[in-house]
Amino acid sequence: GAGVSQSPRYKVAKRGQDVALRCDPISGHVSLFWYQQALGQGPEFLTYFQNEAQLDKSGLPSDRFFAERPEGSVSTLKIQRTQQEDSAVYLCASSQGQGLSEAFFGQGTRLTVV
Amino acid sequence: AQSVTQPDIHITVSEGASLELRCNYSYGATPYLFWYVQSPGQGLQLLLKYFSGDTLVQGIKGFEAEFKRSQSSFNLRKPSVHWSDAAEYFCAVGAVNRDDKIIFGKGTRLHILP
Repeated sequence: GAGVSQSPRYKVAKRGQDVALRCDPISGHVSLFWYQQALGQGPEFLTYFQNEAQLDKSGLPSDRFFAERPEGSVSTLKIQRTQQEDSAVYLCASSQGQGLSEAFFGQGTRLTVV
Repeated sequence: AQSVTQPDIHITVSEGASLELRCNYSYGATPYLFWYVQSPGQGLQLLLKYFSGDTLVQGIKGFEAEFKRSQSSFNLRKPSVHWSDAAEYFCAVGAVNRDDKIIFGKGTRLHILP
């Protein structure tokens, strides 16, 4: 596609509910990144894929967070048993190269846990 | 430790005035440096990047930034701001020749006075 697409744009979840956030990267992009941006803060790294391989998941805040990219294209970030502190904008980015180069960001999914 | 510091949380300038946003970084490897802009409800848009070569880099929307290795700085400048430049600006750093994540600063919110 023309850009990185994320869905849904907005998600309201009750505390304890599981959520799944989707990212469609730019076609052909090898690398895919997930970031979490709390209100008034800069984006914080969550995890990184190179094709279908998850090379770095050091930023995932707890074992309730899980990400996958099974076919090396679309990625899903899943949060189990959501908590209020999970409320944030979740940003996805993709880049053409293996690892760091110019990363293109989606508009994000704003998750609100009530 | 890898880090990016944007010392100014908020900056206010008059329309037509010049602008400089500060960024300092700490990074163990040769850095890639970026400036991104985020308008309300929007994703991150790349303004400019520095990989190597000329330390003064030109970006979109009339922005430029200068890499100063001795000061570990990568300040963003614009000679004359427009009301549409009001947004959040993020400095970011990554590693050259490594599969690695981009680390963001906490951002500087730019306000424009008419």
